[in-house]
Amino acid sequence: EDQVTQSPEALRLQEGESSSLNCSYTVSGLRGLFWYRQDPGKGPEFLFTLYSAGEEKEKERLKATLTKKESFLHITAPKPEDSATYLCAVQGTTGGGNKLTFGTGTQLKVEL
Amino acid sequence: DVKVTQSSRYLVKRTGEKVFLECVQDMDHENMFWYRQDPGLGLRLIYFSYDVKMKEKGDIPEGYSVSREKKERFSLILESASTNQTSMYLCASSYFVASGTQYFGPGTRLTVL
Repeated sequence: EDQVTQSPEALRLQEGESSSLNCSYTVSGLRGLFWYRQDPGKGPEFLFTLYSAGEEKEKERLKATLTKKESFLHITAPKPEDSATYLCAVQGTTGGGNKLTFGTGTQLKVEL
Repeated sequence: DVKVTQSSRYLVKRTGEKVFLECVQDMDHENMFWYRQDPGLGLRLIYFSYDVKMKEKGDIPEGYSVSREKKERFSLILESASTNQTSMYLCASSYFVASGTQYFGPGTRLTVL
């Protein structure tokens, strides 16, 4: 069974204080690892897909990296508008290949 | 941009009522999904559909059914709502079978009294 664990559960940063969110996973054959951002009361918004160890993706202040066991979402010089819950999900090669297994998320708050 | 819409943002129903949640996507996606999201449990897959009139059970299908009569529309049905079905319900779609990139709707907050 695929599993995803995210840490920390919650993170409070000062504006400009860089940090990283962790996503540890176990999967029977990784087809893809996904990062989503979710604002309160809204649906998740797709950020990145990573397919193989060593891959990196960047978007503005966010950078996602992938190893064989975990992924990191690095946030450089965050701003208050980066406050949201960040979700990690994996897609394995079993179960028909359609299914995503989600972690419970890291709730990020960036303060002035 | 992909747009996934859900019929209601907030819904309040009584125990035993039959509840319909509708989802529409405008990008000709093959796959559609229904999740529920609860604090501390994350997103859990209820049902998904990879083609019109096709459906497959997810992790927590008990108490739910689905209907997909047209490619763009995927409905979630609670045959007899119960209080433990109070939750945020999220619909998603993806382009083709092997694509894990799912696009989500805004969600429906369902309260069952």
